[in-house]
Amino acid sequence: EVQLVESGGVVVQPGGSLRLSCAASGFSFEDYSMHWVRQVPGKGPEWVSLINWDGGVTYYTDSVKGRFIISRDNSKNSLYLQMNSLRTEDTAFYYCAKDGGGAAGISTWGQGTLVTVSS
Amino acid sequence: QSVLTQPPSASGTPGQRVTISCSGSSSNIGRNTVNWYQHLPGAAPKLLSYSNNERPSGVPDRFSGSKSGTSASLAISGLQSEDEADYYCAAWDDSLSGWVFGGGTKLTVL
Repeated sequence: EVQLVESGGVVVQPGGSLRLSCAASGFSFEDYSMHWVRQVPGKGPEWVSLINWDGGVTYYTDSVKGRFIISRDNSKNSLYLQMNSLRTEDTAFYYCAKDGGGAAGISTWGQGTLVTVSS
Repeated sequence: QSVLTQPPSASGTPGQRVTISCSGSSSNIGRNTVNWYQHLPGAAPKLLSYSNNERPSGVPDRFSGSKSGTSASLAISGLQSEDEADYYCAAWDDSLSGWVFGGGTKLTVL
């Protein structure tokens, strides 16, 4: 069974930094692209970033470009999101998600971790 | 403001068939396949349909996705109380080079 467990969500001040982690199990992690998706309660999800199987290709939504960095460690079956220069509008639940491969896109999601940016 | 447009709410009685729409543009739904997700309170979002109309294993055939032009829809037949949840559509957007989502439709089973 695919399991994705996020951690690292806390309350942080505007301008601060934070690193989220996602521990993956139940599948061959190194074979799949991975995503970060965030959601403010009551609103639709917002895709944040994508990293391919070996970390050589990454994509970001415009609002986080230059501030967030997605990375992975296949030896540890782990996905990361380094978040810098945080803004109040970055407050959301952050979900780690596995790509289904091919045209399947974003498939399995974790339970999410809450990031609150507030002074 | 979400890139894909969904009605904020939908409702039906047990056993009924309901349809949720998702409207996009030529850069997303018009060129790429559509996924649908179900989000129950306190749970992780769950993939219901991918590649427009494919169902992952374990998803009942009561759920069916479809696409036409720049719009897509999710049909739920034989509505059950446990189907009460938020539903989201998503697609890759070639212009944005990223995934885009709908704002979500809250389904109420009356």
